[in-house]
Amino acid sequence: EAGVVQSPRYKIIEKKQPVAFWCNPISGHNTLYWYLQNLGQGPELLIRYENEEAVDDSQLPKDRFSAERLKGVDSTLKIQPAELGDSAVYLCASSHDYQGETQYFGPGTRLLVL
Amino acid sequence: GENVEQHPSTLSVQEGDSAVIKCTYSDSASNYFPWYKQELGKRPQLIIDIRSNVGEKKDQRIAVTLNKTAKHFSLHITETQPEDSAVYFCAASRGAHYGNNRLAFGKGNQVVVIP
Repeated sequence: EAGVVQSPRYKIIEKKQPVAFWCNPISGHNTLYWYLQNLGQGPELLIRYENEEAVDDSQLPKDRFSAERLKGVDSTLKIQPAELGDSAVYLCASSHDYQGETQYFGPGTRLLVL
Repeated sequence: GENVEQHPSTLSVQEGDSAVIKCTYSDSASNYFPWYKQELGKRPQLIIDIRSNVGEKKDQRIAVTLNKTAKHFSLHITETQPEDSAVYFCAASRGAHYGNNRLAFGKGNQVVVIP
């Protein structure tokens, strides 16, 4: 079974530029999560999707961050414009459904904003 | 919201010895407690989890114990090997019963196994 796939793995951009991350969850997993992981810290939830619906986005900075999961499978997380403090690892995870607590993580996208 | 803390932040052990990492949580309604292992530059990987209706769970050299009264749970690694060196994260959530699967993570413990 293929795991959670993310791309790109690394991204370097200048501040004020836009950036987008893509995630393909494990096949059959209805729930998808985006996490932010700063250096030396645990992952922090940004947004959770149940199929196409964003059911928990209270920690997503909506002034510059947006996300979508149009067909309930792949998801994209966007930052526009990026700031220096956005440099971090962006992790995607998925679980079978809202009753399945086990979350499986992707390898993450390491973002560096210069 | 839930607040999860881990102790100690760094742990060095001799190969073959045991390692114990302890986590405390604040939300008495939390009932799902996973442990993730993250090697440098890699994804967090679930190594073991426990639910509130169980006090202890074991999988080969890894075990987790849960004390709901005291609101803490611990990871035990026996017969440590160099490949156990990594950052270990504990987490807690209310789980499916509340329709809320938001995991609150601790800051992580760096475990170093000295050959």
